[in-house]
Amino acid sequence: DTAVSQTPKYLVTQMGNDKSIKCEQNLGHDTMYWYKQDSKKFLKIMFSYNNKELIINETVPNRFSPKSPDKAHLNLHINSLELGDSAVYFCASSRRTGTENTEAFFGQGTRLTVV
Amino acid sequence: QKEVEQNSGPLSVPEGAIASLNCTYSDRGSQSFFWYRQYSGKSPELIMFIYSNGDKEDGRFTAQLNKASQYVSLLIRDSQPSDSATYLCAVNVGSSASKIIFGSGTRLSIRP
Repeated sequence: DTAVSQTPKYLVTQMGNDKSIKCEQNLGHDTMYWYKQDSKKFLKIMFSYNNKELIINETVPNRFSPKSPDKAHLNLHINSLELGDSAVYFCASSRRTGTENTEAFFGQGTRLTVV
Repeated sequence: QKEVEQNSGPLSVPEGAIASLNCTYSDRGSQSFFWYRQYSGKSPELIMFIYSNGDKEDGRFTAQLNKASQYVSLLIRDSQPSDSATYLCAVNVGSSASKIIFGSGTRLSIRP
């Protein structure tokens, strides 16, 4: 029973298209994240949600719009895809204790290729 | 200055030896520190977390934290070929809007 699951695992699409990635966690965590891992393997935080509320937006282009319908789900919609958006996108979740987050658990990643 | 810094490697260690991975961070207020391992094409998986100064041991892994020096390290004893992977240091930074920030990772290669 996967703790953090995201779909699809692979996504190949043309420039200019709009696509979505879905993420669900069954760990009962309060906080969910989207990270982007580029070709150099650097894992960069994009967004953080706590109990459906956007907490962190790391100067990501407006073409990226996260949505959290409830605290177990965090989806990522990307408009007008560009070649530079090609990367692996990871969803993650963690428990929040006070003002700190515990360790993050990751989904299996979505490899996005824009052609 | 990057928030979390690691040497990218590759770090090559003979099988059976101790591998030592290092990480520095910039936010003095950080309280939580994590080490993740990532195999090629896979997602990061948590190896250890450490919150207090000193050493924390779990099997062949030891995490060391020195908040005064803003330094955290991971030692892997009796290195095995299966330990070959990229190791990511992660730090919980910020206060009310805390976030988990990752270093760029160190590639570790265990040679037989």
